[in-house]
Amino acid sequence: TQLLEQSPQFLSIQEGENLTVYCNSSSVFSSLQWYRQEPGEGPVLLVTVVTGGEVKKLKRLTFQFGDARKDSSLHITAAQTGDTGLYLCAGFPSGTYKYIFGTGTRLKVLA
Amino acid sequence: DVKVTQSSRYLVKRTGEKVFLECVQDMDHENMFWYRQDPGLGLRLIYFSYDVKMKEKGDIPEGYSVSREKKERFSLILESASTNQTSMYLCASSSWTSGGTDTQYFGPGTRLTVL
Repeated sequence: TQLLEQSPQFLSIQEGENLTVYCNSSSVFSSLQWYRQEPGEGPVLLVTVVTGGEVKKLKRLTFQFGDARKDSSLHITAAQTGDTGLYLCAGFPSGTYKYIFGTGTRLKVLA
Repeated sequence: DVKVTQSSRYLVKRTGEKVFLECVQDMDHENMFWYRQDPGLGLRLIYFSYDVKMKEKGDIPEGYSVSREKKERFSLILESASTNQTSMYLCASSSWTSGGTDTQYFGPGTRLTVL
């Protein structure tokens, strides 16, 4: 079974703190995507990383794809209450047509 | 912008009822998906479709069926609703892109409660 394990599962931090969320697999991925899902809504795409070692920035969010394309991380600088939500990584394991989602990280940023 | 709409945001049904969840996308996407999302279990794929009149079972198809008569519409059917089908149901669509990347565009979800 190809899995995308995310850690931590839950995270509660104060506004202004930094945090990192991890997405790990034993499989190689041709690309990985990160979504954020706010309460009562569907997930919304944040970014796609394609190349091993790639780093992408989206304002205060920094995404990195591992050199071996088996893992990814999301770093948030100076978290804000608007960052609260469920963060999901997802992608196609190489050689498959099955799109899989990570186990999710539920982030709560307190004012 | 891609828009995926779902027929209801909230739905309450009784055990044994037949339930229809409708999903419509407006971007001419080939692929459509139905997921359910439960606390601690993440997103689980129920059924998907890569073309009109085509359907494939996902990871948890038992108790569900689907219909795709038109490209833009993908329906999920609960033939006889049961309490263990109480969940958030999410529809998504996507289009094949070169390079193997794939973005799924989600609807807002339908929170179904079966009493």
